[in-house]
Amino acid sequence: SQTIHQWPATLVQPVGSPLSLECTVEGTSNPNLYWYRQAAGRGLQLLFYSVGIGQISSEVPQNLSASRPQDRQFILSSKKLLLSDSGFYLCARSDGSSYNEQFFGPGTRLTVL
Amino acid sequence: AQSVTQPDIHITVSEGASLELRCNYSYGATPYLFWYVQSPGQGLQLLLKYFSGDTLVQGIKGFEAEFKRSQSSFNLRKPSVHWSDAAEYFCAVGPSGTYKYIFGTGTRLKVLA
Repeated sequence: SQTIHQWPATLVQPVGSPLSLECTVEGTSNPNLYWYRQAAGRGLQLLFYSVGIGQISSEVPQNLSASRPQDRQFILSSKKLLLSDSGFYLCARSDGSSYNEQFFGPGTRLTVL
Repeated sequence: AQSVTQPDIHITVSEGASLELRCNYSYGATPYLFWYVQSPGQGLQLLLKYFSGDTLVQGIKGFEAEFKRSQSSFNLRKPSVHWSDAAEYFCAVGPSGTYKYIFGTGTRLKVLA
């Protein structure tokens, strides 16, 4: 199974509040995991990726952070949300082989007011 | 630098008409190429992929794509569009040795009845 779960599905948060988005995956061990953000009318922006537990690569410096406490769990966090953090957040996975496609979760719609 | 260009932001076609979505890439090595589709408010679904071999690849939902190395293109085609094909389509390349995938900005397809 390549199932990817994202929680919550939608979220409305005030500016300055904290954030925690969770992604859990099923299937093979040691997947590569990714967080993307999709702003309205724009493409996918890679935020973070992880090739193993505790290994996080950041692509865009900003007020977001990511953690991978378990092999199949990837968490996106923020201490203080900004209006510009609004968007559609997608978690994705790929297997260890370097040429495999990515599988995407259903996404989390975040609105910061 | 590696990049993916989808020159058409919006495309409108009539139901039953043929479709071609353009994708151009810039990549230093032999690319691994993908087309994804995204319905509103949902994650991305893989339509097809190219790694090597036959340059014409078949995908799901009646889509096909042709890899043309000389033109650095990987255009998506469908001979007869259905109303359910209305969605956003993303071309992607990668991953490179850093496990990153590069996505185009997407083409939004509208289908007229």
